[in-house]
Amino acid sequence: KQEVTQIPAALSVPEGENLVLNCSFTDSAIYNLQWFRQDPGKGLTSLLLIQSSQREQTSGRLNASLDKSSGRSTLYIAASQPGDSATYLCASHSGSARQLTFGSGTQLTVLP
Amino acid sequence: GAGVSQTPSNKVTEKGKYVELRCDPISGHTALYWYRQSLGQGPEFLIYFQGTGAADDSGLPNDRFFAVRPEGSVSTLKIQRTERGDSAVYLCASSYYPTGYNEQFFGPGTRLTVL
Repeated sequence: KQEVTQIPAALSVPEGENLVLNCSFTDSAIYNLQWFRQDPGKGLTSLLLIQSSQREQTSGRLNASLDKSSGRSTLYIAASQPGDSATYLCASHSGSARQLTFGSGTQLTVLP
Repeated sequence: GAGVSQTPSNKVTEKGKYVELRCDPISGHTALYWYRQSLGQGPEFLIYFQGTGAADDSGLPNDRFFAVRPEGSVSTLKIQRTERGDSAVYLCASSYYPTGYNEQFFGPGTRLTVL
């Protein structure tokens, strides 16, 4: 059974800093990995999807990488802004499962 | 609509009552998922539909929970004899490709509070 872990649970950084959020998973036979953003009291906004055949995806200031052999994915945020403050969740499909298995998220606070 | 919509946004009920939560997926999306999210946790899978049929209901916690998608579009999650432990945010997601492996798009959720 896939398990997804995100460390740290919370992170606080000053505005302008580059930062990396970590995601690890136990089953390397994943089909894809998806990163989401969740604002307080809101649903999930899809940020990036990395297919199993890909190593990374980029969107604006965001870059997500995938290393299946080590069971890790990272989300890199460049030049962080207070508006980036939210909880970031990673999730994967694996095995025969169609559903996503989520980590518990990293709560990011970017201080002005 | 442009995205996944869910109604109601908030539902407060008393222990033992019956509730229905509705999800309208993105038009044309064949796959639909229900998840449940407790405070401080990531969403947990409940049930997955491919078209009208429930392809995987292994995440439903017990037989008080049931979901339908009669015409392959709108879905309703039904909870009988609600318990305080059912309080959570219920999220719906949809995706396009029949395999279900493609990108999932989530609705805003329904916050259920059982008193």
